[in-house]
Amino acid sequence: AQSVTQPDIHITVSEGASLELRCNYSYGATPYLFWYVQSPGQGLQLLLKYFSGDTLVQGIKGFEAEFKRSQSSFNLRKPSVHWSDAAEYFCAVGAKAGTALIFGKGTTLSVSS
Amino acid sequence: GAVVSQHPSRVICKSGTSVKIECRSLDFQATTMFWYRQFPKKSLMLMATSNEGSKATYEQGVEKDKFLINHASLTLSTLTVTSAHPEDSSFYICSASVQGSWGNQPQHFGDGTRLSIL
Repeated sequence: AQSVTQPDIHITVSEGASLELRCNYSYGATPYLFWYVQSPGQGLQLLLKYFSGDTLVQGIKGFEAEFKRSQSSFNLRKPSVHWSDAAEYFCAVGAKAGTALIFGKGTTLSVSS
Repeated sequence: GAVVSQHPSRVICKSGTSVKIECRSLDFQATTMFWYRQFPKKSLMLMATSNEGSKATYEQGVEKDKFLINHASLTLSTLTVTSAHPEDSSFYICSASVQGSWGNQPQHFGDGTRLSIL
């Protein structure tokens, strides 16, 4: 069965500092991997996705993520965090196109000034 | 880009009331729609998958008689919470996709509905 683990429940980063959010997945085949961001009371916005090919993927808002098959990880990074990045971040995995996604429990990002 | 409209965004009602939430794909035909539930500070939990013109497939532990899902057209799916009680209070999010295709967006999410049962 597929599963997603986000080990960090809450992370606080200073504005301008770098960020890395961890995500580990469990899936038998090559997974489809995603990162979403959710602001309070809002829906989900796709930051980036990995389907195949280059293991370093670029997303919106300056985010990137690296797929590491050997570690079953898909960590999200940003070199310089802005206060507006404070939100809930979800890693998700999908088995095949058009199917439901399995979400991790999320990581809350707080940004301090 | 593709847009999914979810309505209402917020609803407050008395215990025992039935509440209908609509999920519309505005500029594409969604063969498959998903309904998720999100508890405070928690992840999204898949409730059910609905394919246009067929019965929804519910996840284990989700009461199909409590959460009625209808996907009558390629652009509309509805979730009806029947005889709602305070424990049904939650944030409900729908998403839509084209079966067998993800394109640039795996799923297009609505903005969610905050349901509060008094």
